[in-house]
Amino acid sequence: AIQMTQSPSSLSASVGDRVTITCRASQGIRNDLGWYQQKPGKAPKVLISTASRLQSGVPSRFSGSGSGTDFTLTISGLQPEDFATYYCLQDNNYPWTFGQGTRVEIK
Amino acid sequence: EVQVVQSGAEVRKPGESLKISCKGSGYRFTSYWIGWVRQMPGKGLEWMGIIYPGDSDTRYSPSFQGQVTISADKSISTAYLQWSSLKASDTAMYYCARWSSEVPYYFDYWGQGTLVTVSS
Repeated sequence: AIQMTQSPSSLSASVGDRVTITCRASQGIRNDLGWYQQKPGKAPKVLISTASRLQSGVPSRFSGSGSGTDFTLTISGLQPEDFATYYCLQDNNYPWTFGQGTRVEIK
Repeated sequence: EVQVVQSGAEVRKPGESLKISCKGSGYRFTSYWIGWVRQMPGKGLEWMGIIYPGDSDTRYSPSFQGQVTISADKSISTAYLQWSSLKASDTAMYYCARWSSEVPYYFDYWGQGTLVTVSS
């Protein structure tokens, strides 16, 4: 199975900060990667698909990049509503796998 | 309006069986894969498996193969996740989600989650 190594596992940031989260795949997955946001007690919500495509309704401060094995989610100008846990998911090869998650907390 | 609605919370004892459901509406149920995701208390998301209700093609994560069964009844637009003998370690929130049918691919609609508690 493809392993997705996500880092950091948590981070503290202030409103307005630029935040970067990375996912590294154990083998190449082209651009078959999505980023999801989960708030406490809620189901996950997609932010980015195919590594860099911003989904409808998602603020433009979110962006994704990468291909192959290394991927990045960037939040440019963190907002109070962005404090949540973020996960990557690869759908290149079964079994699909999530990264371990990154909890973004308020500094 | 597309909706994915899961069955309610369940409490069971170890060794008991359980089947939880995920009903899709507002779209052609047979044309979209439905996936299942586990989230143990305080932990991350785990991909369990996925089913295509149109022909019941099912893929499992090796971590869950043989531990659960994923099925679907297209006549009532409902997917299922079932256990034949629950363990305390099955205590978790379980989400189902619809996989988009065309590029870009992603889980576009999620159920609200079903909390399963297994305790003696």
